[in-house]
Amino acid sequence: EVQLVQSGAEVKKPGESLKISCKGSGYSFTNYWIGWVRQMPGKGLEWMGIIYPGDSDTRYSPSFQGQVTISVDKSISTAYLQWSSLKASDTAMYYCVTFPGGSPFDPWGQGTLVTVSS
Amino acid sequence: EIVLTQSPGTLSLSPGERATLSCRASQSVSSNYLAWYQQKPGQAPRLLIYGASNRATGIPDRFSGSGSGTDFTLTISRLEPEDFAVYYCQQYGTFTFGPGTKVDIK
Repeated sequence: EVQLVQSGAEVKKPGESLKISCKGSGYSFTNYWIGWVRQMPGKGLEWMGIIYPGDSDTRYSPSFQGQVTISVDKSISTAYLQWSSLKASDTAMYYCVTFPGGSPFDPWGQGTLVTVSS
Repeated sequence: EIVLTQSPGTLSLSPGERATLSCRASQSVSSNYLAWYQQKPGQAPRLLIYGASNRATGIPDRFSGSGSGTDFTLTISRLEPEDFAVYYCQQYGTFTFGPGTKVDIK
């Protein structure tokens, strides 16, 4: 069974850094794209960026370019989403997803809630 | 960038009724790369439909998708209590999502 397991909820202060993770299992991790999706409280879904673990090819949504960094450690089948300086507006649920090229997002991780508050 | 618009914003229906949700794209969606997702409160989204009309694994046949080009529809033939949720369309050529339609109980 293809499964994505994300790291636990985080509470951070503005200006702090953060790296959350997403571990894939049950499939060939290096041959499927991994993506990140943001959902702010009570709002819709926004795709942030994607990475191909096989060669670390990374693409960002224009809305998130320069705001976050997506990376991968294929030796442990894990993708990461990181911030260097969090803002209150980064408070959201973050989902990782996986998909082969030209396919929809399926399945989804369980989500990581990030709360940024002073 | 393709922009997706969903209507209505909220659909209030009773169990057993038919639900028709619309997703309109600002440009033609290539290769019918159009998907529908269902999200229930406190849960991650779940893929329902891909390629505009193909049900994902394990999705009941009361869910159906149709359309091409710029106009797409998700139909739930007879609403079950577990179908009350928010539904998002996505064009997965460049990954953008629509704003969602909430189906709630009338």
